[in-house]
Order: sequence, then C-alpha cells, then structure tokens
Amino acid sequence: GAVVSQHPSRVICKSGTSVKIECRSLDFQATTMFWYRQFPKQSLMLMATSNEGSKATYEQGVEKDKFLINHASLTLSTLTVTSAHPEDSSFYICSARTVGLNTIYFGEGSWLTVV
Amino acid sequence: TQLLEQSPQFLSIQEGENLTVYCNSSSVFSSLQWYRQEPGEGPVLLVTVVTGGEVKKLKRLTFQFGDARKDSSLHITAAQPGDTGLYLCAGDLRKTSYDKVIFGPGTSLSVIP
Repeated sequence: GAVVSQHPSRVICKSGTSVKIECRSLDFQATTMFWYRQFPKQSLMLMATSNEGSKATYEQGVEKDKFLINHASLTLSTLTVTSAHPEDSSFYICSARTVGLNTIYFGEGSWLTVV
Repeated sequence: TQLLEQSPQFLSIQEGENLTVYCNSSSVFSSLQWYRQEPGEGPVLLVTVVTGGEVKKLKRLTFQFGDARKDSSLHITAAQPGDTGLYLCAGDLRKTSYDKVIFGPGTSLSVIP
C-alpha cells in the first residue's frame, strides 16, 4: 500500500531555534498534504492544508509565520516550526491524499520536544 | 466552522461485549474515514465510506455511512482486548474553495479481559 514517511520521528530542540519536519509520499504522488498537531490524549487538530506549488491554507488560530509549510514537489512537504517554544512541544503528523482517490495516508508522526 | 462530534468519548467494556461508536456532523462529507490509533503512533486507516447509506464490514467491525453523508457509526461485535485503542473518525471536505480532512475528538476504547 501507499506509504508516507515522516522525518525525524523524534526531535529535541532548544527554545528559540527552528526545526524542520519532512513528509514524503514514497510510492505515489500527493497533490494535497495535511499537517496535524496532536496533544496527549486528544484528537488530531488540522493545522494547514498544503498543495503542491501553492501557498498552504492555514486553519484559524494557526500562525502561518510560526509554522512554515512548503510543498515544493508532488512527493514532499515540509513543516518548519520557527522560534520554537516549550508550548510547541507536541506530536506532529502529516498525511497525503492520493491523486484522484479518496484515501488519505498518514505518516508515522514526529515528536517535538522544545527545551 | 466544520465540526465532527464523536460519542462516547470514553468506553470501557468487558471482553465479548458489543459496542457502537457514533460520529456526527452538520457538514456533508465527500467521504468519511475511520482510524484506530495506538499511543505514540500515527492513525491506521480502518475503512473509507463514500456513498450515503453504505455499509462496510471488516471482520468484527461494521461501518455505516449515513444517508445524508453527515454521520457514521462503527459497531464492534464481541470486542477483544486487542481492540483497545483510540478510534477516530475523519471527514473529508472537498469544495471548490477548500480541501480539508477534519477529525472527531476520538473514542478511547478499553476492552477488559
């Protein structure tokens, strides 16, 4: 089946630094990728929808200057958390929609800890 | 604002019992997915329903999509401890002006041996 790879799976960074998370569709092209954030024991909260070659669409309350999303190709989207703070510590998950199909595949998720 | 509601949010049952989880919204979805998630891992897709009124079965799990494509249910027969996990429904909203997949709050299921 389709595979979405997310990297890194775990990252620890210092407060004030930036960290980039990559989301790759390994065996299919994804025109649309979604980025979610999940706090412990809570559901996935959609942060933004990323379309290849265009600007991401952010959900209300998500700071686009803080969470930079780039979808440069049909197989890669990146989320950069800029000037990270401890409250940004969370589980970040991406997903990708296969072209023309209804199925969405998820990455393994990335644990971000800001110290 | 598009919202998905799930009920119950928490469920603890004995092995062998049956249960139903509900997913409701005021929005019409292009499709709806059900996922199961283990702690620290990404969601694993169980099923996608697309057609209003559709019923899909996956071993002991039965999924139904409402006729109006606004709601769905997941029924588990003879629950087993291995069914323990967080069950999430996700609605696929695709319009000309936006494209998003939103999740319900989840149902945390615990099956006691």
